[in-house]
Amino acid sequence: EVQLVETGGGLVQPGRSLKLSCVASGFTFNNYWMSWTRQAPGKGLEWVASITNSGGSTYYPDSVKGRFTISRDNAQNTLYLQMNSLRSEDTATYYCTRRGNPWYFDYWGQGVMVTVSS
Amino acid sequence: EIVLTQSPTTMAASPGEKVTLTCRASSSVSYMHWYQQRSGTSPKLWIYETSKLASGVPNRFSGSGSGTSYSLTINSMETEDAATYYCQQGSSYPPTFGGGTKLELK
Repeated sequence: EVQLVETGGGLVQPGRSLKLSCVASGFTFNNYWMSWTRQAPGKGLEWVASITNSGGSTYYPDSVKGRFTISRDNAQNTLYLQMNSLRSEDTATYYCTRRGNPWYFDYWGQGVMVTVSS
Repeated sequence: EIVLTQSPTTMAASPGEKVTLTCRASSSVSYMHWYQQRSGTSPKLWIYETSKLASGVPNRFSGSGSGTSYSLTINSMETEDAATYYCQQGSSYPPTFGGGTKLELK
């Protein structure tokens, strides 16, 4: 059974940093691209970042480019999202997602809440 | 970036009723994917590559479409189908989602 378990969320002040982690199990982690997708309270879904199976390439939308960094440790079956210079508009539930091909998200974690507020 | 517009935004259906949700893309896409999100839970992949049902999805669901117009159809509404449904395209970078259709039970 595929499982994605996120940790690391919480309350953080604007301008500060936070790092999310996602431990994957139930599949061969290093065979899959992985992604983060977020959902602001009461809003829709937004893709945040993706990383290739080797970790050699990363992809971001303009809304987080230069502030967020996705990375992975294939030996530990773990995905990360380093979030810097956080803004109030980054407040959301962040989901760790496995990427299927052609570019859909076939498994989702339970999500972790990030609140950016002073 | 391709903008996806879902309609209606909200709707209610009675048990047994046929339901059709629509997703329109601002430019042509090759495939459309759909997700179901029940209240308080994570989204689940529901339909991928326009018409393929994800594992465990009842066959009363179907997907169709091409170009800029796609739809998700429920042949006969059941209680458990009440949820928000999102469409998503991955044909053109960046991947984008529609705003969602909230489907309620009448």
